[in-house]
Amino acid sequence: AQSVAQPEDQVNVAEGNPLTVKCTYSVSGNPYLFWYVQYPNRGLQFLLKYITGDNLVKGSYGFEAEFNKSQTSFHLKKPSALVSDSALYFCAVRDRYSGAGSYQLTFGKGTKLSVIP
Amino acid sequence: DAGVIQSPRHEVTEMGQEVTLRCKPISGHDYLFWYRQTMMRGLELLIYFNNNVPIDDSGMPEDRFSAKMPNASFSTLKIQPSEPRDSAVYFCASSPKGDEQYFGPGTRLTVT
Repeated sequence: AQSVAQPEDQVNVAEGNPLTVKCTYSVSGNPYLFWYVQYPNRGLQFLLKYITGDNLVKGSYGFEAEFNKSQTSFHLKKPSALVSDSALYFCAVRDRYSGAGSYQLTFGKGTKLSVIP
Repeated sequence: DAGVIQSPRHEVTEMGQEVTLRCKPISGHDYLFWYRQTMMRGLELLIYFNNNVPIDDSGMPEDRFSAKMPNASFSTLKIQPSEPRDSAVYFCASSPKGDEQYFGPGTRLTVT
């Protein structure tokens, strides 16, 4: 079984400050990890993914995420937050060995990020 | 590219009625996913297709739900009969290879 935990329902950060949105995961094998963002009344948008290789993954809009296998974490980060980053952020996981052709992603509950001007 | 297209964007119906949600994936994408999003349960995968063939429908809540993909450019999710607990936002997503998914704007369903 695979699962994702986003321990914070809401994160508030001042504009210009660094931001972190936390995510931990559980899979029986090795993970594929993803971050998506959802703006109000919109579908989810892909931000970045970790498949293998470098533990620091860079994505869209200046976001990056760090894969930490020992802590089973994949926290989303940005050096300087913008008001326009305010949105709902979802972490997702898939077990790399979940079966041939299996692409079932498990999403976290989401974290609401508010960037304060 | 227009992205994933879903219709209708909003649907209000009475309990017991049949509801059909429609999705047009991005051209060239081999995978299509149907999700349901609610405040209580978050985002749940209902079913997904690969090359128009249903691969995993273990998330379909019950026999009232059915999904079809008659060709590479069209899919439907049908609920018959609908119930108030089916009220949710239903998303369709498509993907070229399965992992990086592109979501449509969603259909907000309200069953009264």
